[in-house]
Amino acid sequence: KQEVTQIPAALSVPEGENLVLNCSFTDSAIYNLQWFRQDPGKGLTSLLLIQSSQREQTSGRLNASLDKSSGRSTLYIAASQPGDSATYLCAVRPGTASKLTFGTGTRLQVTL
Amino acid sequence: SAVISQKPSRDICQRGTSLTIQCQVDSQVTMMFWYRQQPGQSLTLIATANQGSEATYESGFVIDKFPISRPNLTFSTLTVSNMSPEDSSIYLCSVMTGGALDTQYFGPGTRLTVL
Repeated sequence: KQEVTQIPAALSVPEGENLVLNCSFTDSAIYNLQWFRQDPGKGLTSLLLIQSSQREQTSGRLNASLDKSSGRSTLYIAASQPGDSATYLCAVRPGTASKLTFGTGTRLQVTL
Repeated sequence: SAVISQKPSRDICQRGTSLTIQCQVDSQVTMMFWYRQQPGQSLTLIATANQGSEATYESGFVIDKFPISRPNLTFSTLTVSNMSPEDSSIYLCSVMTGGALDTQYFGPGTRLTVL
């Protein structure tokens, strides 16, 4: 059974810092991995999707990497801003059209 | 991409009653899902809503408690029946638009509080 873990569970950084969020999964046979952002009491916003054949994806200040063989992904946020404060979730999909398995989430707070 | 709306956005309900949550998508989608997120927890898949047939439920979720309809490719409803305080959660509709990327999109959620 696929298990997805995110470390740390919570993180507080001052504005302007670069930071890395970690996601690990136990079964490396994945189809893709998706990073989401969730604001308190809200739905999820898709940030980046990495296919199993890819090593990384970039969008603005965000960069997600994937090392499938070691069961790890990282989300790098450059020059963090208070507006980045949210919970970040990673989720893996084992095959096309199959269900996502979500990680436990990292709650990020960026302070002024 | 897909734009998803949910109604209601939040509700406070009495124990023993039922609530129906609506999910509307701005385009036809291949797959629709319903998730639950209990306070402080990650997301748990309740069921896959199948167009024109019965939903496919995950382990621990049953049709009598969470009946689901999907009359067409852009709309679905989830009913939370005979509610108890343990049903207090955020309920999220999600879709996949198909194609090579298999990106999954989520609605804004319905925050349910059961007293």
